[in-house]
Amino acid sequence: AQSVTQPDIHITVSEGASLELRCNYSYGATPYLFWYVQSPGQGLQLLLKYFSGDTLVQGIKGFEAEFKRSQSSFNLRKPSVHWSDAAEYFCAVGPTLGQAGTALIFGKGTTLSVSS
Amino acid sequence: GAVVSQHPSRVICKSGTSVKIECRSLDFQATTMFWYRQFPKQSLMLMATSNEGSKATYEQGVEKDKFLINHASLTLSTLTVTSAHPEDSSFYICSARLAGGTGITDTQYFGPGTRLTVL
Repeated sequence: AQSVTQPDIHITVSEGASLELRCNYSYGATPYLFWYVQSPGQGLQLLLKYFSGDTLVQGIKGFEAEFKRSQSSFNLRKPSVHWSDAAEYFCAVGPTLGQAGTALIFGKGTTLSVSS
Repeated sequence: GAVVSQHPSRVICKSGTSVKIECRSLDFQATTMFWYRQFPKQSLMLMATSNEGSKATYEQGVEKDKFLINHASLTLSTLTVTSAHPEDSSFYICSARLAGGTGITDTQYFGPGTRLTVL
């Protein structure tokens, strides 16, 4: 079955420290991978996406993610966290060629808190 | 670009009434829109897939007579919660699929969500 696992429910990071949020997926083929961020009471904002090519993907707000096929992972990283990064982060997998129109499958999310 | 709006952002209604939520793709055409429901501190649960000009496809366990979806144009999908009850209170989020130029890759862009409270 297709699934996305975010092992960490809640992470607290000091402001200025580095961040890594984990994401593992189970999918029948090479999926399209996404990271979204959600602030309280808000919708989801796309941080970055991986479809093919370079396995290190750069996104907005200084985030990057690396696709590792051998580990079925797509971890999100940021070298220096800002207080405004505190939010809920969702990893998602999407349809591959031929499955356009299929909805995304989301992980349960990781809540990021930033301490001063 | 690729902005999706939802209206209203917040609605409070009495039990037994119906509520309509609009989802619009503002600067692109969306052949497919998705409706999700999110409970507090939970992930998004797909409710239905809405294709322009055809009937929506509902996920298992979602009552299609209760959650009416209409996708009348390439930029507008509506979700109507009929005879709402307190257990329908939730955060409803729509997304619109932006089709890539080659049709191979696509990205979903999400609306800001609608907070429904049923008293």
